[in-house]
Amino acid sequence: GQNIDQPTEMTATEGAIVQINCTYQTSGFNGLFWYQQHAGEAPTFLSYNVLDGLEEKGRFSSFLSRSKGYSYLLLKELQMKDSASYLCAVGAGNNRKLIWGLGTSLAVNP
Amino acid sequence: GAVVSQHPSWVICKSGTSVKIECRSLDFQATTMFWYRQFPKQSLMLMATSNEGSKATYEQGVEKDKFLINHASLTLSTLTVTSAHPEDSSFYICSARDTGIRSNYGYTFGSGTRLTVV
Repeated sequence: GQNIDQPTEMTATEGAIVQINCTYQTSGFNGLFWYQQHAGEAPTFLSYNVLDGLEEKGRFSSFLSRSKGYSYLLLKELQMKDSASYLCAVGAGNNRKLIWGLGTSLAVNP
Repeated sequence: GAVVSQHPSWVICKSGTSVKIECRSLDFQATTMFWYRQFPKQSLMLMATSNEGSKATYEQGVEKDKFLINHASLTLSTLTVTSAHPEDSSFYICSARDTGIRSNYGYTFGSGTRLTVV
């Protein structure tokens, strides 16, 4: 079956670093995505990993290990505006649909 | 970059009426569009995959006669919620795929539609 696991909630302090983990078991793999979603808004694309390793993009980095079925999103120099839900999704199947995790709600405190 | 326009942003309707939600790709052709529903504090739930010129593929448990999807052109897909009931109140989001983009599948999301059925 298809399964994506990520923590439900996390809390961090402004200026700190936080790592959000995601593990997956899917039939087929066409890449792993991280999206950010603020309440009442549509998701916005953060990162895409299809090969093992770390992808860095400004304050955000994403890591993938395909052999372990594992990814993490690393957020540095946290800001209050980073308080949001972070969704892990895996591309699977020939029709390119995404399998979504339930999301991690991150609260950044002053 | 690729832009997907979704309308309306929010709608309130009476129980038993139908509501149409439009999703347009503004600067690219979208052969495939995805329709999602999201309840408060839950993740995105894929409802159906819409392919231009053919019937939509619905996910298990989604009533195709209640959620009518039309993808008549390469830039427009519509979702009609027929005979809406309060339990259909949700956040509906479309996503289109720009096949001209090689990375990240080319997914672009619409801004979402907040449907409230009273």
